[in-house]
Formats: sequence, structure tokens, C-alpha cells
Amino acid sequence: KQEVTQIPAALSVPEGENLVLNCSFTDSAIYNLQWFRQDPGKGLTSLLLIQSSQREQTSGRLNASLDKSSGRSTLYIAASQPGDSATYLCAVRVGQTSGSRLTFGEGTQLTVNP
Amino acid sequence: GAVVSQHPSWVICKSGTSVKIECRSLDFQATTMFWYRQFPKQSLMLMATSNEGSKATYEQGVEKDKFLINHASLTLSTLTVTSAHPEDSSFYICSALRSGRYTDTQYFGPGTRLTVL
Repeated sequence: KQEVTQIPAALSVPEGENLVLNCSFTDSAIYNLQWFRQDPGKGLTSLLLIQSSQREQTSGRLNASLDKSSGRSTLYIAASQPGDSATYLCAVRVGQTSGSRLTFGEGTQLTVNP
Repeated sequence: GAVVSQHPSWVICKSGTSVKIECRSLDFQATTMFWYRQFPKQSLMLMATSNEGSKATYEQGVEKDKFLINHASLTLSTLTVTSAHPEDSSFYICSALRSGRYTDTQYFGPGTRLTVL
């Protein structure tokens, strides 16, 4: 059974700091890995999706890496801003198709202080 | 980008009543939709996978008779919580799968907050 773990569970940083969120998964046979953002009481916003054959994806100040063999991914946020405050969820898709199930980690709650 | 809506965004009901939550894909057709629930400070747990025109596939431990799922069209799936009890209070999120030329993309709705008194 695939298990996804995120460390740390919560993180508080001053504005402007660069930070790294960690995600690990137990079964390396994944189809892809996705990072989401969730604001309180809201749904999910997809940030980055990395296919199993890829090593990293970048979008603006965000960079996600994937090391499938070791079962790890990191989300790097550069020059953090108060608007980045949210819960960040990592999810891996198992199976052989892009429509197979997602397994989520429990998230890292990020607070960026002005 | 693709949009998935949910209605209602929040609902409060009395114990023993049934509540229906709608999930719509607004600008694409979705053969497959997913229903998740999320408890406070916890992650999303998949409840069931809904396929248009066929019965939903429920995850282990999810009561199919309590959480009725109907996916009658390519743009609408509904989740009915029957005889709701306080322990059913949770945040319910749906997701719709959009088929693309090379890959499928899963889009999430904004969620429905259910409070059972």
C-alpha cells in the first residue's frame, strides 16, 4: 500500500526566506507526483506535476524535484511571501494510467510572516 | 483552465437527514470523477471513484449504502450522505478527470463543508 509522508507538518518563516518542503513515498512505482496548495476551507490548486520520467518541474518561484528511486520529492519556494501561506499537499499517482488514484500526504502548513 | 464546481459550498443539517452534494465539470466532459473527504488537519482520503453510466467503485471502509454516488451525465456527479450523523461532518471535495491528447488531468472542486448537528 502506498504511503505518502510530508515533513515538516508545519513551518513558519519570515518573508523573503527560501524554503524546502519534503515528501516521501513508500512505493516507487508511481505514474506521476503532484504538488497542490490548499487555502483554509478551500479546494486544491495544482502547483506542479512531475511525470515519473522527469526529474524536476519549475513554475515561477516554485521548483519541484523527484527522485523516484529513493521515493522522495521536494518543493522549493524561493523568496517566500505572506501570500504563500497555505497548506501544501504532495500526492502520488499509482498505477499505469493518468486516471488512476491519487494518494495524498498530510500536508505541510506554511506560514510566511511579514 | 478547467473548472469544477460544487454545490452547496456549505450545509448544516440535523442528524438523520440526507444531504446531496453536486459536482459539476463546467467546461469539459468527465467520464471519471472522484469523491474525497477531509477531516480537520488531515489529508484527503479517497472515498469512491465515479464513472459515468456505471456504478461507483468505493474504497475499503466506505459504506456504499450511506454514501450514494450517481454519475448520470458527463458533467455531473452527486454524492448523497444518507441518514447523516455528527461523525459524517467533514469537508467533501470532488474531482473530475479531463482527458487530454497525451495525458489526463485531474481538477478539484472547491469543496463542501458538511456539519451535522
